[in-house]
Amino acid sequence: EDQVTQSPEALRLQEGESSSLNCSYTVSGLRGLFWYRQDPGKGPEFLFTLYSAGEEKEKERLKATLTKKESFLHITAPKPEDSATYLCAVQAAGQNFVFGPGTRLSVLP
Amino acid sequence: NAGVTQTPKFQVLKTGQSMTLQCAQDMNHEYMSWYRQDPGMGLRLIHYSVGAGITDQGEVPNGYNVSRSTTEDFPLRLLSAAPSQTSVYFCASSRGLAQFFGPGTRLTVL
Repeated sequence: EDQVTQSPEALRLQEGESSSLNCSYTVSGLRGLFWYRQDPGKGPEFLFTLYSAGEEKEKERLKATLTKKESFLHITAPKPEDSATYLCAVQAAGQNFVFGPGTRLSVLP
Repeated sequence: NAGVTQTPKFQVLKTGQSMTLQCAQDMNHEYMSWYRQDPGMGLRLIHYSVGAGITDQGEVPNGYNVSRSTTEDFPLRLLSAAPSQTSVYFCASSRGLAQFFGPGTRLTVL
């Protein structure tokens, strides 16, 4: 059975304090791994798709990386506006999307 | 483009009532889906559709019906609401792998 776990469950950072969020997955035949950002009361907002081990994607202060078993979302010098819940999801060949429970990030000024 | 729209934003139902959650997209996406989001459990797939006239069950389909008569619309029907269906419901659409989500409907069943 495809599974996605995320750690930590919650993370508090000071503004400018870089860190990483982890997404671990077990899936046969990965088609893609996805990162989303979700603000309170809103729908998830698409950030990145990663397709194969070794791939990296960047957007502003965020960088996503992928290995065969996990993905990291690195946040460099975060700002308070980066506070949100970050969701990871995977899709395997012939299967639907499976989402992790998310990491709740708070960046304090 | 409005993207993915959902109505209503909030709804309170009594046990046993039925209702339809509306979802529409203007991006001409073939794939549409419905998820529910509960604390600590992540998004769980209820039903999905790969095109007009084609629907299938996801992980948690019991108590819900869907139909897809047009590319744009994908309504979700609750047949007889139960307190266990209290949740936030999201509709999504995609072409290719990345999904785009609507703003959600917060449903409370008393």
